[in-house]
Amino acid sequence: GQNIDQPTEMTATEGAIVQINCTYQTSGFNGLFWYQQHAGEAPTFLSYNVLDGLEEKGRFSSFLSRSKGYSYLLLKELQMKDSASYLCAVSDSGYALNFGKGTSLLVTP
Amino acid sequence: TAGITQAPTSQILAAGRSMTLRCTQDMRHNAMYWYRQDLGLGLRLIHYSNTAGTTGKGEVPDGYSVSRANTDDFPLTLASAVPSQTSVYFCASSASGPDTQYFGPGTRLTVL
Repeated sequence: GQNIDQPTEMTATEGAIVQINCTYQTSGFNGLFWYQQHAGEAPTFLSYNVLDGLEEKGRFSSFLSRSKGYSYLLLKELQMKDSASYLCAVSDSGYALNFGKGTSLLVTP
Repeated sequence: TAGITQAPTSQILAAGRSMTLRCTQDMRHNAMYWYRQDLGLGLRLIHYSNTAGTTGKGEVPDGYSVSRANTDDFPLTLASAVPSQTSVYFCASSASGPDTQYFGPGTRLTVL
């Protein structure tokens, strides 16, 4: 079975750095994805990790440790527009993504 | 490029009625997926298709059926809607299996 855990809610201040953690237990592993979803909109792709280590893409970075079943999404220089849900998803040995329930991030002035 | 389109945007449906949610992609992706998203439960896979002509069941397939007659279209049918099928439905596609999935704008369905 699949078990993907991430915090339900987080709050951070504009300009700050926030780290959103995701732990997973899956029967297989083909990679871990992070998606961003603004209220009322579709999820949009942020990052993909299949090897251990840090992937950096502008203000966003994602880290993976396969041995620990752990990933985090790091958002730097937070902006108000970063207020959204962040979804951790794992691709197992099949074709579909298994999503966590998402972390709702509120960025305050 | 349109990417993935879904229709309708929203719908109110009487319980017991049937309905087909439409999904079309123009990226020539092999794999397509249907998810439902409910508050507190996240995205859950209903059905998927690895390639035209094949389909498979996801986590919550009961009450839904799909077909994949060609690469571009992946309709989702509710044969006899029930209130528990009230949800936001997202269609997604990927080039192949474990590749990045791209989502359509969603259909908000209310079953009364």
